[in-house]
Amino acid sequence: QSVLTQPPSVSAAPGQKVTISCSGSSSNIANNYVSWYQQLPGTAPKLLIYDNNKRPSRIPDRFSASTSGTSATLGITGLQTGDEADYYCGTWDSSLSAGVFGGGTKLTVL
Amino acid sequence: QVQLQESGPGLVKPSETLSLICSVSGGPISSYYWSWIRQSPGKGLEWIGYMYYSGATDYNPSLKSRVTLSVDTSKNQFSLRLRSVTAADTAVYYCARLRYIVRRFYVDVWGKGTTVTVSS
Repeated sequence: QSVLTQPPSVSAAPGQKVTISCSGSSSNIANNYVSWYQQLPGTAPKLLIYDNNKRPSRIPDRFSASTSGTSATLGITGLQTGDEADYYCGTWDSSLSAGVFGGGTKLTVL
Repeated sequence: QVQLQESGPGLVKPSETLSLICSVSGGPISSYYWSWIRQSPGKGLEWIGYMYYSGATDYNPSLKSRVTLSVDTSKNQFSLRLRSVTAADTAVYYCARLRYIVRRFYVDVWGKGTTVTVSS
């Protein structure tokens, strides 16, 4: 069981918007910055979002994120078939003194 | 552009020690934190630990008793040793550059990953 909880899968049509949730606790999301990663099939994860809502320069603004209390949300607009991937949230857990990740969410673009 | 490359045996026998090296190119190993993260087949990501270029380390409590991370700044490399492995340690192992400071923990550079299978 992962410390951070994500839905196993989400789906949406091309061009539409999707959100992926990440639920944690006061020892992780509520008090530490959240990051998000995209893992395309057969490849290493790639950083999408850091510090809750900041995008590396190479990441398009179709990707956004936010946090509220013990939860975080990743949003993807203008869905493309190339967005089909597994998405992971991550942060530091102050109680465990460990980096923690969600179990991952598989995005299907129908 | 910093690039990371993992190397090491792809097959390790149960009860033996898994040893991997990460070679850093395109940038210095100094002034950064470096980490190992693994992904078991069909599973999510698991943080193993980090080390600072100076040698300071911290480990996932669930693996702490079996893990040692070390750095060789002269070779721009850092390494992972995981002792007493079992089939549960079979995974893709990623080396990574970690951005770590108070409240901030994220990986901005990942290696391609190397598959390690534990089997006799």
